[in-house]
Amino acid sequence: DGGITQSPKYLFRKEGQNVTLSCEQNLNHDAMYWYRQDPGQGLRLIYYSQIVNDFQKGDIAEGYSVSREKKESFPLTVTSAQKNPTAFYLCASRPLDGSNTGELFFGEGSRLTVL
Amino acid sequence: AQKVTQAQTEISVVEKEDVTLDCVYETRDTTYYLFWYKQPPSGELVFLIRRNSFDEQNEISGRYSWNFQKSTSSFNFTITASQVVDSAVYFCALSAFNSGTYKYIFGTGTRLKVLA
Repeated sequence: DGGITQSPKYLFRKEGQNVTLSCEQNLNHDAMYWYRQDPGQGLRLIYYSQIVNDFQKGDIAEGYSVSREKKESFPLTVTSAQKNPTAFYLCASRPLDGSNTGELFFGEGSRLTVL
Repeated sequence: AQKVTQAQTEISVVEKEDVTLDCVYETRDTTYYLFWYKQPPSGELVFLIRRNSFDEQNEISGRYSWNFQKSTSSFNFTITASQVVDSAVYFCALSAFNSGTYKYIFGTGTRLKVLA
């Protein structure tokens, strides 16, 4: 079945460590997004990418990095520079060819906890 | 600036009651899109509906209905005869074309608890 796979589902990290969250989609979507979700807050955009080898900062990019070497993959690295990384991270995608009505397709998320 | 406000943080209802989730938005764009998503305990957001700014027709899909009113900048969501399976967090979102791409602004979500 087509969809977005995020891994790991749960991740624990010690302070000062970098961690990478995986996001893979087999929907052949062009655009991919990373959002952060904190309790009581909406989703906030970290990074997005509309094409391979190109990506743009979102509203809260500081302390994060991404790459887009393949169309289907958009990994997110949470670096030690991110002051408060404990959160729920959601990856999303959408086509850019006008084939859908504009909605985002989401993965099941990765919950990162810093110890 | 764009903004989406979901003033109801949490709502509890008894099964079979009707419930309305409120969404108020702000935008200066004349062309924009509004969405509702459901986030069950599994975590992923599930798309429910999209409306564009030129279509103010209300929509009904089974037990779900949506009321879009540009005059009050609202896009409210009603669940009729609620069921326990409706328990989830519901997000309203706004999207408009900005700087070469569509940007999505999400509300803070409303947690709906449907009690048996």
